[in-house]
Amino acid sequence: GENVEQHPSTLSVQEGDSAVIKCTYSDSASNYFPWYKQELGKRPQLIIDIRSNVGEKKDQRIAVTLNKTAKHFSLHITETQPEDSAVYFCAASINDYKLSFGAGTTVTVRA
Amino acid sequence: DAGVIQSPRHEVTEMGQEVTLRCKPISGHDYLFWYRQTMMRGLELLIYFNNNVPIDDSGMPEDRFSAKMPNASFSTLKIQPSEPRDSAVYFCASTSWGGVTQYFGPGTRLLVL
Repeated sequence: GENVEQHPSTLSVQEGDSAVIKCTYSDSASNYFPWYKQELGKRPQLIIDIRSNVGEKKDQRIAVTLNKTAKHFSLHITETQPEDSAVYFCAASINDYKLSFGAGTTVTVRA
Repeated sequence: DAGVIQSPRHEVTEMGQEVTLRCKPISGHDYLFWYRQTMMRGLELLIYFNNNVPIDDSGMPEDRFSAKMPNASFSTLKIQPSEPRDSAVYFCASTSWGGVTQYFGPGTRLLVL
């Protein structure tokens, strides 16, 4: 099955700086890559996603890039704010529905 | 819409007891997912349904776990007998055909003593 690795496991950034989280996947058939954000004690929520026919997607301060050849994708958060502090999960899927999640990255934004 | 509804929100039980977790998906959604979240194993997909039919149960850990979806508005995840290693947060999520965003419920925090 699909195996998704995520790095780093923890990330501490100064408010206003950028944060980058990287993921790799094993199944070359995967074609859908969502990112979920989970605040402490809350449910995961989709923040951005990308398909394999697109190399980059941006939504305000967040962006995701995909390198199909290398089988890796990344989440970029610019101008970080305290409300960006959360656990971020990357995922990969071959059919939009069966998601394989990475282990998560705990992001802490220091004021 | 009230979103995905799960019950109970918290469950404490003793090893060997049967546990039943319940989920009501968002109205109109025809995909339903059950996930388990632990510190050690992260967020794992256990099983998912489409139009009440189980599509992939390869994530179900063992025969002690079973899931049903008797109709479009209700699903259960049952653990019998429960063991301490089953302690986790269990999430239910739903989405619609053609949509990809999975909407998660608030989760059920299960503690097996």
